[in-house]
Amino acid sequence: EAAVTQSPRNKVAVTGGKVTLSCNQTNNHNNMYWYRQDTGHGLRLIHYSYGAGSTEKGDIPDGYKASRPSQENFSLILELATPSQTSVYFCASGEAGTYEQYFGPGTRLTVL
Amino acid sequence: AQRVTQVQPTGSSQWGEEVTLDCSYETSEYFYRIFWYRQLFSGEMVFLIYQPSFDTQNQRSGRYSVVFQKSFKSISLVISASQPEDSGTYFCALSELISGTYQRFGTGTKLQVVP
Repeated sequence: EAAVTQSPRNKVAVTGGKVTLSCNQTNNHNNMYWYRQDTGHGLRLIHYSYGAGSTEKGDIPDGYKASRPSQENFSLILELATPSQTSVYFCASGEAGTYEQYFGPGTRLTVL
Repeated sequence: AQRVTQVQPTGSSQWGEEVTLDCSYETSEYFYRIFWYRQLFSGEMVFLIYQPSFDTQNQRSGRYSVVFQKSFKSISLVISASQPEDSGTYFCALSELISGTYQRFGTGTKLQVVP
């Protein structure tokens, strides 16, 4: 049974539109993360959270917002999507005080 | 600035051979860990092994082991007796205690194991 799930798995959006990517984890982990993966860059951290109500900026936060309404859910929001945000997005969770992370299956976003 | 570097974008191996994938990193922290993941063709990230900075012993897990050269800030993943199902993209990632638990990834090495 998958512990980190993402929805949608695939999304096509138009430039200037709003996109929300959702992540749910059943690990009861405090920490959650959003990464994007692009060819030649590996995975890059966008936002992360230490618990419900908290969000922190990662290495590439511009153009993205995050929301952590509960322990289980962590959303990534693109208020005004641009073609440069076309990518595969991964969510992960991890227990506070440890280093390990557990990844979701990824969401492929295409912005036209 | 790139904190984690994997200079081999691709690699190949024949069935049964030992494969070595290299990774170097930058950190000024004492406590950190280096993780290795394999990304399947489906996109799924699979955790393989990790090396804690304070442990001088190279970690092993099944057919996976690492060669940790702390003074050079270098670590290699060694896959023994490679199999076609080992094909995929391998990422190393650095996690520093001071920056929290998030991980910084290298750009990956795409490995193909042929029969």
